[in-house]
Amino acid sequence: GAGVSQSPSNKVTEKGKDVELRCDPISGHTALYWYRQSLGQGLEFLIYFQGNSAPDKSGLPSDRFSAERTGGSVSTLTIQRTQQEDSAVYLCASSPAASNYGYTFGSGTRLTVV
Amino acid sequence: GQNIDQPTEMTATEGAIVQINCTYQTSGFNGLFWYQQHAGEAPTFLSYNVLDGLEEKGRFSSFLSRSKGYSYLLLKELQMKDSASYLCAVNPGAGSYQLTFGKGTKLSVIP
Repeated sequence: GAGVSQSPSNKVTEKGKDVELRCDPISGHTALYWYRQSLGQGLEFLIYFQGNSAPDKSGLPSDRFSAERTGGSVSTLTIQRTQQEDSAVYLCASSPAASNYGYTFGSGTRLTVV
Repeated sequence: GQNIDQPTEMTATEGAIVQINCTYQTSGFNGLFWYQQHAGEAPTFLSYNVLDGLEEKGRFSSFLSRSKGYSYLLLKELQMKDSASYLCAVNPGAGSYQLTFGKGTKLSVIP
C-alpha cells in the first residue's frame, strides 16, 4: 500500500479482555516496528521484526504482550488480559531494510481500557 | 539508562524563527532524528544527524554536537501548519534498530 495502515484506529475494551491490533506495512518493507505512545510520555519501543522473525522484543512490557508477523507483511500485536495502564496509542512503523533511517509510521491505534 | 530532554511546549509567531533544543544522555550514540507529529496523526521524518554540524533542508535545519550531547531543530519562516509536536529521538547503539524518543515539544504558531 501507499502507507502504513493500522486497524482499528480506535479500540475501547473492558479490563481483562484480549485485544488484537493490526499493522499493514508498506509493500516491500522488510523491517517492521511497534511503539507505544502514552499520554505525556515519549514513544516507547516494543518490538522489531526483520521478515517474520523478531530479533529484538526487549521492549514488550510483560508476558501479556505478544506479536507476530506472517508472510513478511502483516503484523499483529496481541495484548491479553488488558489492564488500564495499557491504554495508549500503539504505533507501527516500517522501513525498507533493517535500519531506523527512513521509518514510515502508521497513524496508530488508540486503545482505551475501561 | 537513556534520557532525552526537550522543552514541553513552545509558542512562536508566524513568519518568525524558532529553535527547539534536545539534550541526550544515552549508553551509546548512532544517530539523532527529528520527527514532526500533528495531533492524531503519524510522526513524519524530518531530519537525521550522525556527524557534528548543521544539516539544512528547506525551512528546517538540524544541528548536532556529540561532545555536548546536544541537538536543535531550527524552523524558519514559520507557518501556521508548523503547529505540531516535534520529537527528538536517538539510536543508542550500533546494531540496534530501536529509537529512544524524548517526550516531544508541542509548538504553537500564532498569527
